[in-house]
Amino acid sequence: NAGVTQTPKFQVLKTGQSMTLQCAQDMNHEYMSWYRQDPGMGLRLIHYSVGAGITDQGEVPNGYNVSRSTTEDFPLRLLSAAPSQTSVYFCASSYSSNPQSNEQFFGPGTRLTVL
Amino acid sequence: AQSVAQPEDQVNVAEGNPLTVKCTYSVSGNPYLFWYVQYPNRGLQFLLKYITGDNLVKGSYGFEAEFNKSQTSFHLKKPSALVSDSALYFCAVSPDYGQNFVFGPGTRLSVLP
Repeated sequence: NAGVTQTPKFQVLKTGQSMTLQCAQDMNHEYMSWYRQDPGMGLRLIHYSVGAGITDQGEVPNGYNVSRSTTEDFPLRLLSAAPSQTSVYFCASSYSSNPQSNEQFFGPGTRLTVL
Repeated sequence: AQSVAQPEDQVNVAEGNPLTVKCTYSVSGNPYLFWYVQYPNRGLQFLLKYITGDNLVKGSYGFEAEFNKSQTSFHLKKPSALVSDSALYFCAVSPDYGQNFVFGPGTRLSVLP
């Protein structure tokens, strides 16, 4: 299993540009999520999905869109990049949202800089 | 709303000594508590979790954590630290059957040889 994969690893954008961060998992996990990590603030949840066709907002959803057309993929779209979106983005997945089996597996991250 | 506090930004410990990384939480309902570790330029890795039952939870790499309901704490411990344990440690809470994990700000552990 490749686990959770993310592309690209690094990205530099100009203010106002749009882009999609890709996330895929091959573990047949129901639950997928996107976090951003900023110094001193831990990880903050952007969006999550409990299954194909179902998404919901986390703590910091503004400026980001997601979709979940398949179980495997959960892309994160930045509609119009802003410098405040400079961060490291992590995708994660878990077998389910049932606490008995909800430990999350994280991707390696995407480091995004918005100029 | 749930929240997690990690009162120490940095913990320094000598190799071979016991280590403790502190975590306190606030959540309505039953807490589901987690510890994750992050090595440089890597994603987070699951260490252990508490759902119910025994208050002392054992996890990966010799780590354990003690759940204390009265103090709303879930401190991470290891009897004998290794230099390779140096990393960023995150405590997280998930509400009862909820989907929203909340992470603490992280504690950087440095184990000195």
